[in-house]
Amino acid sequence: NAGVTQTPKFRVLKTGQSMTLLCAQDMNHEYMYWYRQDPGMGLRLIHYSVGEGTTAKGEVPDGYNVSRLKKQNFLLGLESAAPSQTSVYFCASSYSALIRRGSYNEQFFGPGTRLTVL
Amino acid sequence: GIQVEQSPPDLILQEGANSTLRCNFSDSVNNLQWFHQNPWGQLINLFYIPSGTKQNGRLSATTVATERYSLLYISSSQTTDSGVYFCAVDSGGATNKLIFGTGTLLAVQP
Repeated sequence: NAGVTQTPKFRVLKTGQSMTLLCAQDMNHEYMYWYRQDPGMGLRLIHYSVGEGTTAKGEVPDGYNVSRLKKQNFLLGLESAAPSQTSVYFCASSYSALIRRGSYNEQFFGPGTRLTVL
Repeated sequence: GIQVEQSPPDLILQEGANSTLRCNFSDSVNNLQWFHQNPWGQLINLFYIPSGTKQNGRLSATTVATERYSLLYISSSQTTDSGVYFCAVDSGGATNKLIFGTGTLLAVQP
């Protein structure tokens, strides 16, 4: 199992350019997430999906769009990149299972994409 | 929304020393995870621990959900333990979203 993979690993954009980050998971997870990490901070949720064909906004969604056309893939798009979107982007996935004492939903993360917008 | 605070913000240890990292959260949580972000930026799952105590080699974690805190213990630290340790909590609902603390930066010196 590859787990969670992300492409590309690095990218440099000019202001106003567009790009798509791809996240893929082979664990048959229902839930997928996109986070961003800025220097000295923890991760913040951009968008998430609770299943194929669904998406929802997280904490910092402005300037990003997402799509989940296939269960295993979650795409993050930047339509018009801005320097404020320079960051490291992480994708994660999880499944949710009801267990005796509640639920189990451990998240697993990809290796990250380092994006610089000039 | 739920707040997650970690302490200390940074820590320098000599190899072989022990340490305790703390995570406080402001509301009840369904789940809690500890991660290690290594110097290459990779996030490594350490523990999934909404309550109770778990151990994995030199690392162990305890979550006391009723008192809203979790502790990560590192014993006999090694230089490979260096990096940032994050606590993240899931406040519930159908989305399982994680809220991260700002991390503890650990440097283990030889």
